[in-house]
This record gives sequence, structure tokens and C-alpha cells, in this order.
Amino acid sequence: EAQVTQNPRYLITVTGKKLTVTCSQNMNHEYMSWYRQDPGLGLRQIYYSMNVEVTDKGDVPEGYKVSRKEKRNFPLILESPSPNQTSLYFCASSSRQGNQPQHFGDGTRLSIL
Amino acid sequence: GESVGLHLPTLSVQEGDNSIINCAYSNSASDYFIWYKQESGKGPQFIIDIRSNMDKRQGQRVTVLLNKTVKHLSLQIAATQPGDSAVYFCAEKGRSQGNLIFGKGTKLSVKP
Repeated sequence: EAQVTQNPRYLITVTGKKLTVTCSQNMNHEYMSWYRQDPGLGLRQIYYSMNVEVTDKGDVPEGYKVSRKEKRNFPLILESPSPNQTSLYFCASSSRQGNQPQHFGDGTRLSIL
Repeated sequence: GESVGLHLPTLSVQEGDNSIINCAYSNSASDYFIWYKQESGKGPQFIIDIRSNMDKRQGQRVTVLLNKTVKHLSLQIAATQPGDSAVYFCAEKGRSQGNLIFGKGTKLSVKP
């Protein structure tokens, strides 16, 4: 089954403790992206990757890092999480660079205390 | 700057009626638009997309209309069903090829 898988689905942690949210897709997609969803603000793009070893900032990249060492994985790294990063995070992928529908994972709910 | 917004945050319709969800965008250079449906507890799901060289595109029970003159996008759902209850997001391609900008969403509720 074609899917985007995020882990963990839920995480409660404390300020400053580094964490990584993994994202994996099994569709051989070149493009992957991370979004955060906050009430009243919709989805905002954090980072995206057009292909392996190519990453770019989205609209809200501050406080986040990503890497794209292989095509199927696109982890989101919070080096020093802060409470304002408490949010619902989605990873997505698509077959080509832009102008294509993205397939989304089911989300990761992060709470930073 | 670029922004994608919605005229109505909530929409309530009777089962069987047609639904229209609206979206305004500000970047006249955007050449790709897309609608997503998000059910509670799930990630957004693709509904339909349209490129700027088109005014209308139809899918199964859904139609997207693009009015570039007034920078307006709409999603029409025919014969709305309870399963259509969800939050609907429009999105546009942003400042670069991989950048996608979402609107804030419209919650559609279908009354039986």
C-alpha cells in the first residue's frame, strides 16, 4: 500500500531535549516536505526537498533542521525544542518537483513542555 | 506577500445539496492550485487540482473553478454526503517550485 509513514504519532517532551520525527515513503517520490498545522493558521511549510541531498526552507523553518540522505526518508529534527513548536506536524511526498498532488502522512502531535 | 485565504471558516449544508467552498489568493503569478480534504485525525487528502491555463476542472462529484481576474478559486461538491464532512483547504504554489501555501481551511458540516 502506498503510504507516508511518520513516527512517532504522539510525543510529549521538555524544552531543549533534541528530538527527531521520522518520515518515510514507499512510492519512490522525489519530492518530500514538512508542514506544521496550528489552529486558525492552516498548514505552513517548514522545509521541503526536491530530491536526495537537496533541501530548501519553507515559510517557517526557524528552529528546525532536515536531511535527505536517501530518497525514501526525510527526518525532521528539533535540536532544542521550545514550547512554541508544540504543534501537529505532517510529512508529505509527491512524484515530481512541484505542481503535483502531495500524499500526506497521518501526522505527529508534538507537545513541548 | 503571498497569502491564500478563505471567505467562510464554516459551512453547513443539507445532505443532497450542493456545496461551494471559496478561496482567495493574492499571488497573480501562481500557476498551480489544489484542494485538499482533511478528516478528523488524518492527514490532508488530495481532491482535485487545476493549473492556471484552465478555468474549470471536473472530477467525480467535484468541480474546481479558477477566476484569475479576481484571484478566486472555488470547490463545488455536488450532492453533498455525510462523508464529505471535513475541513477543506485550498493551496497554491508559492515563491518557488517546491513551496506550497495553504489557506486556513473551511469546515464543512453535512446535516442528514
